[in-house]
Amino acid sequence: DAKTTQPTSMDCAEGRAANLPCNHSTISGNEYVYWYRQIHSQGPQYIIHGLKNNETNEMASLIITEDRKSSTLILPHATLRDTAVYYCIVSPGSSNTGKLIFGQGTTLQVKP
Amino acid sequence: DVKVTQSSRYLVKRTGEKVFLECVQDMDHENMFWYRQDPGLGLRLIYFSYDVKMKEKGDIPEGYSVSREKKERFSLILESASTNQTSMYLCASSSRPSSGNTIYFGEGSWLTVV
Repeated sequence: DAKTTQPTSMDCAEGRAANLPCNHSTISGNEYVYWYRQIHSQGPQYIIHGLKNNETNEMASLIITEDRKSSTLILPHATLRDTAVYYCIVSPGSSNTGKLIFGQGTTLQVKP
Repeated sequence: DVKVTQSSRYLVKRTGEKVFLECVQDMDHENMFWYRQDPGLGLRLIYFSYDVKMKEKGDIPEGYSVSREKKERFSLILESASTNQTSMYLCASSSRPSSGNTIYFGEGSWLTVV
């Protein structure tokens, strides 16, 4: 199963774009990349996911490199409410059991 | 909207007690999961289930058991609670993550064992 590596923490100015990187160099061809975030004492909230192509929704954009070994989550205009721990995870791919593998996450601090 | 509901938000139990944490999802999902989350350790998978009456051990199953008698309900059981099981417990569900479907989490259950 693929593992992910993320920076421990990042800062971002309010109103600026937040770019959160994730390394998943051992990802296999049919595994998806998911991004979640977690605000203190709450359950993780789904943000976005993708397989090969870049994805965008109302919350964020996901950029996946051509070799799929890394990805970047982009919050286009960060607000103070975006302060959270962001998790990049990969799905198991060949297995149908849906076992999830979480990394340590990146703590994003959005500053005024 | 998909909803994953954990029955208890905050619990305090005594050492040696049997503890039940209940989770219900309303989207007919096949897969359900139980995690625990501790500072500095991230989310760790305890057990998961991919069908009724089916279960698989995760990374840290010791001291826990699970029950899935109905598709929508997945229970985590601490047979004899210990202080090192004080943690936040998260339930999640999904249809088939390997085909790109979203995984949904509950709000978490904070368990303190004294």
